[in-house]
Amino acid sequence: DTRMTQSPSSLSASVGDRVTITCRASQDMGDSLAWFQQKPGKAPKSLMYSASALQDGVPSRFRGSGSGTEFTLTITGLQPEDVGTYYCQQYHRYPLSFGGGTRVEI
Amino acid sequence: QVNLMDSGGGVVQPGRSLTLSCTASKSEIFFSNYGIHWVRQAPGKGLEWVAVISYDATDHYYADSVKGRIIISRDNSKKTVLLQLNNVRPEDTAIYYCAASDTTLDALDFWGQGTAVTVSS
Repeated sequence: DTRMTQSPSSLSASVGDRVTITCRASQDMGDSLAWFQQKPGKAPKSLMYSASALQDGVPSRFRGSGSGTEFTLTITGLQPEDVGTYYCQQYHRYPLSFGGGTRVEI
Repeated sequence: QVNLMDSGGGVVQPGRSLTLSCTASKSEIFFSNYGIHWVRQAPGKGLEWVAVISYDATDHYYADSVKGRIIISRDNSKKTVLLQLNNVRPEDTAIYYCAASDTTLDALDFWGQGTAVTVSS
């Protein structure tokens, strides 16, 4: 099975800061990686697919990069509404797997 | 955009069975085009992928944690996917979400709101 490791597990930043979350895969994923945002008590929301393609309606301050085994989610200009937990997920092979999550606080 | 609604959660005793539903609204004419996944989240924990069924129900895949206890099925005429989990255990306690993807091995683009399952005697 493919293990997805996210870091850091939590972070605190100020409004306007640049925030970077890293996701590492135990096997080559190509670009079959998605990012999700989850706010407390809510379902996850898809932010990005194919490592760097933004879903419709997702602000351009979110940027994804990487391929193979290392991926990055960057938020440039953190906003109060960005508070939540972020997950990466690989869909290159079964079973699909998620990273452990990164909690982002202001 | 695909609007999905999860239902069927509640309290179930260990060893019993539960059936969860994922239903699209009548206006969702493209429901039958999508693979449907189930993902669960134990209290205070991260996301765990559970199962997927292909758009035409010819393929399905399960996580090892539920294999042998789970059946996923779909009825496209009713725009519904069912998840049956047998011999439930306390560790099955979680919020269960259904989600849609273009194919079974693809990004989970659209999610239901989740339905909570508690396994307790």
